[in-house]
Amino acid sequence: EVQLVESGGGLVQPGGSLRLSCAASGFTFSTYSMNWVRQAPGKGLEWVSYISSSRTTIYYADSVKGRFTISRDNAKNSLYLQMNSLRDEDTAVYYCARGVVVTDYWGQGTLVTVSS
Amino acid sequence: DIVMTQTPLSSPVTLGQPASISCRSSQSLVHSDGNTYLSWLQQRPGQPPRLLIYKISIRFSGVPDRFSGSGAGTDFTLKISRVEAEDVGVYYCMQATQFPSTFGQGTKLEIK
Repeated sequence: EVQLVESGGGLVQPGGSLRLSCAASGFTFSTYSMNWVRQAPGKGLEWVSYISSSRTTIYYADSVKGRFTISRDNAKNSLYLQMNSLRDEDTAVYYCARGVVVTDYWGQGTLVTVSS
Repeated sequence: DIVMTQTPLSSPVTLGQPASISCRSSQSLVHSDGNTYLSWLQQRPGQPPRLLIYKISIRFSGVPDRFSGSGAGTDFTLKISRVEAEDVGVYYCMQATQFPSTFGQGTKLEIK
């Protein structure tokens, strides 16, 4: 069974940093591209970042470029999102999601709240 | 970025009746490889999104056959043949033909 479990969310002050993790199981993690997608409270879905299976291709949404860094450790079956210079508008549930042209599995999400 | 526009944004439906959601993209979603990477996601209350349909019309594993997708180019439709109580939630179309992937605003399906 494919499982994606996010962790690392919490309350952080504006300007602060947080590192999210996504633990993958039930599939060969090293062969799949991965994404981070977020959802602000009561709002729709917003794609945040993408990393290819071999880490050679990485993309970011303009809203997070220069502040967020996606990475992965295929030996640990884990995906990460380092978030720096956090802003109020980064408050959201962050989901990791598998796949590139078909995003077929999503984690349960982890809530990030940016507030003073 | 490709803009995805869904209609309606809210859809009250009677149990057992059909429902239909439209999604229009600001440009063609036909990829250079010939595929059209248009997916439909369901998000039940308090749950993460779940893939229902990909490449316009292919039902994902475990998705009931009352869900169907159709369309081409820039116009797409999700249909539920007979709405059940468990179908309540928000439905999103999503394109992955061109980076960045973008989503429709969501359509809230509720029971009358």
